[in-house]
Amino acid sequence: DGGITQSPKYLFRKEGQNVTLSCEQNLNHDAMYWYRQDPGQGLRLIYYSQIVNDFQKGDIAEGYSVSREKKESFPLTVTSAQKNPTAFYLCASSPRPPGEGQPQHFGDGTRLSIL
Amino acid sequence: QQQVKQSPQSLIVQKGGISIINCAYENTAFDYFPWYQQFPGKGPALLIAIRPDVSEKKEGRFTISFNKSAKQFSLHIMDSQPGDSATYFCAASWENRDDKIIFGKGTRLHILP
Repeated sequence: DGGITQSPKYLFRKEGQNVTLSCEQNLNHDAMYWYRQDPGQGLRLIYYSQIVNDFQKGDIAEGYSVSREKKESFPLTVTSAQKNPTAFYLCASSPRPPGEGQPQHFGDGTRLSIL
Repeated sequence: QQQVKQSPQSLIVQKGGISIINCAYENTAFDYFPWYQQFPGKGPALLIAIRPDVSEKKEGRFTISFNKSAKQFSLHIMDSQPGDSATYFCAASWENRDDKIIFGKGTRLHILP
């Protein structure tokens, strides 16, 4: 089945540690996205990539980094500079651009907590 | 101007009742308005979507009503069921111009059995 796989489902980070969240898609989509979800805050865009080897900052990129070396993969690193990283992180993909008949597809998320 | 304002933040409806969630936008360049449904521990999934040249779209028990002049759109869930209990997000985007979707902050819907 085609879809988006996020791993791990739960992740714990120690203070001062970088962690990387994995996102893989087999939908052959060009665009990929990372969102952060906090209670009552909706979905806030962290980074997005429209094509391999290119990506743009979203609304809350500080303390995060990404890479897009392959079409299928868009890993997100939460760096120690992100002071409040506890959240539910969602990866999505879509054909370019998203629109009628071409919605964003989401993975099932990674919940990151600080030890 | 890029915001999508969603209300209410939470909603409790009796089984069999009508659930109504409202959204408003400012940017008249938006031309695609999807609704996403999210169950706990899962990612959002597209539920239904509408374009501004249509005033209403219905899929089963789910209906989007769109008021272009008021820059408002709403989701109606008829004959609400306990299985409809989820978080609902409205969204807006510029089709064929941009790769971003602007999401509302979500409505947590609970259907009483």
